[in-house]
Amino acid sequence: RKEVEQDPGPFNVPEGATVAFNCTYSNSASQSFFWYRQDCRKEPKLLMSVYSSGNEDGRFTAQLNRASQYISLLIRDSKLSDSATYLCVVPFYTGRRALTFGSGTRLQVQP
Amino acid sequence: DAGITQSPRYKITETGRQVTLMCHQTWSHSYMFWYRQDLGHGLRLIYYSAAADITDKGEVPDGYVVSRSKTENFPLTLESATRSQTSVYFCASSEWGGNQPQHFGDGTRLSIL
Repeated sequence: RKEVEQDPGPFNVPEGATVAFNCTYSNSASQSFFWYRQDCRKEPKLLMSVYSSGNEDGRFTAQLNRASQYISLLIRDSKLSDSATYLCVVPFYTGRRALTFGSGTRLQVQP
Repeated sequence: DAGITQSPRYKITETGRQVTLMCHQTWSHSYMFWYRQDLGHGLRLIYYSAAADITDKGEVPDGYVVSRSKTENFPLTLESATRSQTSVYFCASSEWGGNQPQHFGDGTRLSIL
């Protein structure tokens, strides 16, 4: 099993739609998680941190299910500007204190 | 402005040449990281550093060398560039590493002919 797995998409949704992405991880000891946004090969930018069961920031909600080892990102009322690739990020401690990035889920919001 | 800067932004070179990519951060973060990003692979960790003079291998270290003589700088050197090292390279830093979020530079687009 990969350390972090994401559905690559693309998810094509109309403006105003609600869309959700899931991410599964293999290390049950992971304590914190992140969602990053990346636009067209630009640098990844931190979108949300998830340290407990979930986090909400405006139209964005992240939820964590430790028992099933997945985190989700929900985007409500999608905007054209939400079109990007969303990276799920999980810290791994075995051998290195670094983050492992999922390959990303691509979202295309259409007018 | 404080932040993390990479140079050059774009680089074209030939196989066999030595190339050094620079990374500088002004936050005094302890941890710094180098990633490469290729289509179909996502971000892959090359090397990281927990502090000055402490470096460690990541997932894909072969063909790369790093050093960290000062906290703020973390250069990445390709000793003898190969076409397979054509990629986008991102430098990142975090305050402590591990469960801390990372902040990325703009990236260096490297093409090896």
